[in-house]
Amino acid sequence: QSVLTQPPSASGTPGQRVTISCSGGSSNIGKNYVYWYQQFPGTAPKLLIYKTDQRPSGVPDRFSGSKSGTSASLAISGLRSDDEADYYCATWDDSLLRVFGGGTKLTVL
Amino acid sequence: QVQLVESGGGVVQPGRSLRLSCVASEFAFSRYPMYWVRQFPGKGLEWVAVISYHEGSQQWYGDSVQGRFSISRDNSRNTLYLQMNSLRIEDTAVYYCAREMSGGGSLAFDVWGQGTMVIVSS
Repeated sequence: QSVLTQPPSASGTPGQRVTISCSGGSSNIGKNYVYWYQQFPGTAPKLLIYKTDQRPSGVPDRFSGSKSGTSASLAISGLRSDDEADYYCATWDDSLLRVFGGGTKLTVL
Repeated sequence: QVQLVESGGGVVQPGRSLRLSCVASEFAFSRYPMYWVRQFPGKGLEWVAVISYHEGSQQWYGDSVQGRFSISRDNSRNTLYLQMNSLRIEDTAVYYCAREMSGGGSLAFDVWGQGTMVIVSS
């Protein structure tokens, strides 16, 4: 069981805006950057957001990251069918060093 | 293109050893910290180990593999290694090598391999 808690599932309809949460504590999210990954079945994760709110080159601006206190969020606007994937948050933790959330499966209805 | 290709996975009995390799291409391998990250059958991700860039003089390990796994690099061969000893059933996972993105922070992995499956079973 991860120290970072994500909802196991989320859903939305095409065009909608959805958010995926990642809840942690003062030893991790509360004091460190958050990272987000997208993963399709059978493939490696892909970096979506780094340093909490930065997008790597090539990631559409429909994806955005934010943080407030000990929780972080990934927002996806203009939801598309090809956004259906698993999403993972990650951060640094004082004790465990690098930690990942348990992942959220996003379904586009 | 920029690429990482892992190999060395397979089925191994508990207590035995296995060595994974990851060959990098089309980028200056020695300039990047490199990682091993694993994904369990239930889909959870866990970082395994990291090695510093250039000579790889510093290594760090996740708690669950500390003392059993060893990460190393051979820059002349553009290759990253993971020596896994005293394997346990709970080490069963897909093992990915990954590159830390320059300037992205210690959890920004911008290039990943395709993964190699390790199954520990009697």
